[in-house]
Amino acid sequence: DTAVSQTPKYLVTQMGNDKSIKCEQNLGHDTMYWYKQDSKKFLKIMFSYNNKELIINETVPNRFSPKSPDKAHLNLHINSLELGDSAVYFCASSQPGNTEAFFGQGTRLTVV
Amino acid sequence: AQTVTQSQPEMSVQEAETVTLSCTYDTSESDYYLFWYKQPPSRQMILVIRQEAYKQQNATENRFSVNFQKAAKSFSLKISDSQLGDAAMYFCALLLTNAGKSTFGDGTTLTVKP
Repeated sequence: DTAVSQTPKYLVTQMGNDKSIKCEQNLGHDTMYWYKQDSKKFLKIMFSYNNKELIINETVPNRFSPKSPDKAHLNLHINSLELGDSAVYFCASSQPGNTEAFFGQGTRLTVV
Repeated sequence: AQTVTQSQPEMSVQEAETVTLSCTYDTSESDYYLFWYKQPPSRQMILVIRQEAYKQQNATENRFSVNFQKAAKSFSLKISDSQLGDAAMYFCALLLTNAGKSTFGDGTTLTVKP
């Protein structure tokens, strides 16, 4: 009964490939996020969706395309992967504006 | 734009002792929340404590408490009776209620010595 679940937990792929990370939350939250944590552990927001609509896009390259088929899911698709995309990607969810974010366990993406 | 600054990249504490992690922030908004998250080696982000900006009383959760100084825009975390399981990276975060997104500090790695 995991609240926010991401798959896969680990992903190793070659440069130039396209990959997706899936995220699902069963908390009934309206808002979902993608965060990137780089090798220095800095955590930065990438996208925020509210009720399936994009509300925040923090100057992320076009190669990153989030998709929200319904408000319980926010998937992240990455095209033409680059070495610099290697990081841990966290999905999170919250109720709009007034509560903490609940995080998934993260997906460690390694591009070789 | 809002910023969150954690000036201590690393801290260490002896088991059973008390340690304080610093966090300062900057925002022109008046309606916001502040959080401390813990990230142990397992990588999971765990909420430690939250503080509503409109509340003057400092939040407390068992051995964890904050010193919230709104005028100074300071939000420090005090861990009392430190335990080995407290060893982790700690992130301070600011959530603007209207913007709907959190800004995180760069983190403080806490080591607990037995």
